[in-house]
Amino acid sequence: AQKITQTQPGMFVQEKEAVTLDCTYDTSDPSYGLFWYKQPSSGEMIFLIYQGSYDQQNATEGRYSLNFQKARKSANLVISASQLGDSAMYFCAMRPAHYRGSGNTGKLIFGQGTTLQVKP
Amino acid sequence: GAVVSQHPSWVICKSGTSVKIECRSLDFQATTMFWYRQFPKQSLMLMATSNEGSKATYEQGVEKDKFLINHASLTLSTLTVTSAHPEDSSFYICSASPPGTSGSSYEQYFGPGTRLTVT
Repeated sequence: AQKITQTQPGMFVQEKEAVTLDCTYDTSDPSYGLFWYKQPSSGEMIFLIYQGSYDQQNATEGRYSLNFQKARKSANLVISASQLGDSAMYFCAMRPAHYRGSGNTGKLIFGQGTTLQVKP
Repeated sequence: GAVVSQHPSWVICKSGTSVKIECRSLDFQATTMFWYRQFPKQSLMLMATSNEGSKATYEQGVEKDKFLINHASLTLSTLTVTSAHPEDSSFYICSASPPGTSGSSYEQYFGPGTRLTVT
């Protein structure tokens, strides 16, 4: 069964400090993608970063980086230099490769989410 | 990036009535759209996969007759909550992917969500 686990319901971080949000996953598919989304109080889902299962290097996007440890099946999100605007709920998600005839629908499987609060 | 819209952004309806939520891809065609439901402080729960020109695929435990999905065109999918009850009150979000995409890396574009309150 495919599953995403986020074990931190809530996190606090001081402004300008770095924070790591944990994510572990379980899948038997050889090819998959891992995503992180941010959901502020407005409810919109904001795409942050993507990591492919065959990518050799960890993904980075500005202040966001993904610590991908394939053997441990973990895909932690690191936010550097936290800002007040980073306060939101963060979701880790996984999608198996969606090829025609694969039987996969391309749907995303989400973790439980982590609420991050940045303190001034 | 691509834009997905939802209408309405919020709706209040009386128990027993039906309400329709629209999901549109504004600048791309989407053969597949997904409908999620989210309760406060909880994760997104996939309700169904909407396929243009064919029947939707519902996730286990989701009532097909209660949550009617119609994907009539490559830019529009609708979710109709029939005979709504207060427990149907939730945040409904759709997402869409352009056609012809494959692999695991293509991004899903999310709509802004619709907040449904059933009184």
